[in-house]
Amino acid sequence: GQQLNQSPQSMFIQEGEDVSMNCTSSSIFNTWLWYKQEPGEGPVLLIALYKAGELTSNGRLTAQFGITRKDSFLNISASIPSDVGIYFCAGPSGGGADGLTFGKGTHLIIQP
Amino acid sequence: DAGVTQSPTHLIKTRGQHVTLRCSPISGHKSVSWYQQVLGQGPQFIFQYYEKEERGRGNFPDRFSARQFPNYSSELNVNALLLGDSALYLCASSVGGAPDPREQYFGPGTRLTVT
Repeated sequence: GQQLNQSPQSMFIQEGEDVSMNCTSSSIFNTWLWYKQEPGEGPVLLIALYKAGELTSNGRLTAQFGITRKDSFLNISASIPSDVGIYFCAGPSGGGADGLTFGKGTHLIIQP
Repeated sequence: DAGVTQSPTHLIKTRGQHVTLRCSPISGHKSVSWYQQVLGQGPQFIFQYYEKEERGRGNFPDRFSARQFPNYSSELNVNALLLGDSALYLCASSVGGAPDPREQYFGPGTRLTVT
């Protein structure tokens, strides 16, 4: 099946720093989704990308759909304490259903 | 507007028992998907239902089953529980229609512990 590899696995940063994380796939994706999950909650959709090369922003978050369609990047500028959480990339599982394949996540920890 | 709701919040069961988890999608959404999330991993796709019909299934054994009701709510059933079934079970709703994974909205999940 399709696999998504996220890196880094975890990040320890200072408040105010910029953050970059990425996601690579073993196969081509037509859609890339970035979610954030906080303890005790379900994932929340941050950004959706539908076209190779697309660059989309949501406030301090910016994500890009890689040209090869096998990768995507998420950047967070000027991190704040509420950015703490686990960030997941996801793409369609295929097979005609709407199910998503998720990466293992990047755990973001911010030190004040 | 209410988001996706799931019940119960937490559940403790014994090996071999059966469990039923419930999900109500966002009003106007016709598609419900179920995911299993074990500790330290991303959610893993179990089922997707649209207009009461199964549209897709992940790599899960037949002990897992689901159904969708006329009001678009859904139930996930797991028989003969194993210790490895302990996980957070997430429900996601979307508008549905043509296969389109965009904009799936997740509920808070049901935490199942099997002892």
